[in-house]
Amino acid sequence: GENVEQHPSTLSVQEGDSAVIKCTYSDSASNYFPWYKQELGKRPQLIIDIRSNVGEKKDQRIAVTLNKTAKHFSLHITETQPEDSAVYFCAASSGSYKLIFGSGTRLLVRP
Amino acid sequence: GAVVSQHPSWVICKSGTSVKIECRSLDFQATTMFWYRQFPKQSLMLMATSNEGSKATYEQGVEKDKFLINHASLTLSTLTVTSAHPEDSSFYICSAEGYSLSGANVLTFGAGSRLTVL
Repeated sequence: GENVEQHPSTLSVQEGDSAVIKCTYSDSASNYFPWYKQELGKRPQLIIDIRSNVGEKKDQRIAVTLNKTAKHFSLHITETQPEDSAVYFCAASSGSYKLIFGSGTRLLVRP
Repeated sequence: GAVVSQHPSWVICKSGTSVKIECRSLDFQATTMFWYRQFPKQSLMLMATSNEGSKATYEQGVEKDKFLINHASLTLSTLTVTSAHPEDSSFYICSAEGYSLSGANVLTFGAGSRLTVL
């Protein structure tokens, strides 16, 4: 089955700096890669996603890149703000919304 | 649109009792429901997948007789933790896949249920 690895597990950046979180997946059939932001005790919130027919997608300060050959995808957050502090999860799926999640990255943005 | 209501948001029970968690899709038909478990400071681990009217498919290592899943209608799925023990204490989250009124394929998460077994 699919296995998704995510790193780093924790990331601390200064406000205004960029943050990058990376994930790798094992199943070459995976074709959908969402990123979720989760605050303590809350449901995951979709922040951006990408499908395998696209190499990059951007939404304001957030961007995701996908390298199908290497089976890895990354989340880029620019101009970080304290409210970006949360746990971020990558996920992968093939053909449906059966998501396999990475282990999570705890992002801390220092004011 | 595409709202999933999950109840209860938190529950405390005694060891050995059963607890039922409900997820309802309010404005769309949930053809597939995914149930996840999340231990503190860990990731969401997929427990099972259920399609309306069919038996759930459980992930490896998840006891189907302990975690009973029912998906009898397109708007309701339930997870029952039977004979709960302290090690079952966790955050349980559902996600529903279906089609909105506009025909868009959607995936929506419930708000989660925090179970504490004493």
